[in-house]
Amino acid sequence: DQQVKQNSPSLSVQEGRISILNCDYTNSMFDYFLWYKKYPAEGPTFLISISSIKDKNEDGRFTVFLNKSAKHLSLHIVPSQPGDSAVYFCAARRAQGGSEKLVFGKGTKLTVNP
Amino acid sequence: EAGVTQFPSHSVIEKGQTVTLRCDPISGHDNLYWYRRVMGKEIKFLLHFVKESKQDESGMPNNRFLAERTGGTYSTLKVQPAELEDSGVYFCASSLIKRAGGPYEQYFGPGTRLTVT
Repeated sequence: DQQVKQNSPSLSVQEGRISILNCDYTNSMFDYFLWYKKYPAEGPTFLISISSIKDKNEDGRFTVFLNKSAKHLSLHIVPSQPGDSAVYFCAARRAQGGSEKLVFGKGTKLTVNP
Repeated sequence: EAGVTQFPSHSVIEKGQTVTLRCDPISGHDNLYWYRRVMGKEIKFLLHFVKESKQDESGMPNNRFLAERTGGTYSTLKVQPAELEDSGVYFCASSLIKRAGGPYEQYFGPGTRLTVT
């Protein structure tokens, strides 16, 4: 039972254009959502997060949007750069009993072409 | 500041053998987590330490897996005996203790790639 879903395994965009990565979740008890970026042979690197009480969070070229009613979030990268090419993971946290565990999606491989 | 380090980076063992993975968190991080990614699948939570105590071990697959964090510093994850399905990349992450405004982000190590043949 996968609670966090990234339905697009890959995405290819041109340098300078917008990249939109999508994520859906099923558990309404999640209170924080995070995006991580992963290069080959490295661990995931934190990018940006959003609380479930907000609908948007922005950090430089990265913006995350949350639509709670649709249980959907998206990561926008504008403008996209070749160095953004990586696997992007959506993750969610459910605060329960002090646990801080993250539930991850399967990831979307982003390729930004020069 | 040094990041999360993991040792070894790769391990190839035969079914039935024992392997011990080590994680050194960022200094001062009381939260330590273990995750695993089986090829092509999502990163899955294994367990969470707060200092030396197990806060949540709901993701541990079975009793062949034993995690320890003596003294609240580094942690080890032992698999004994290893099975074929244990193959994957084991990630360790650490973070500060949560704040009122929300969780601190988890910093991940590079992972240990375990292959059981």
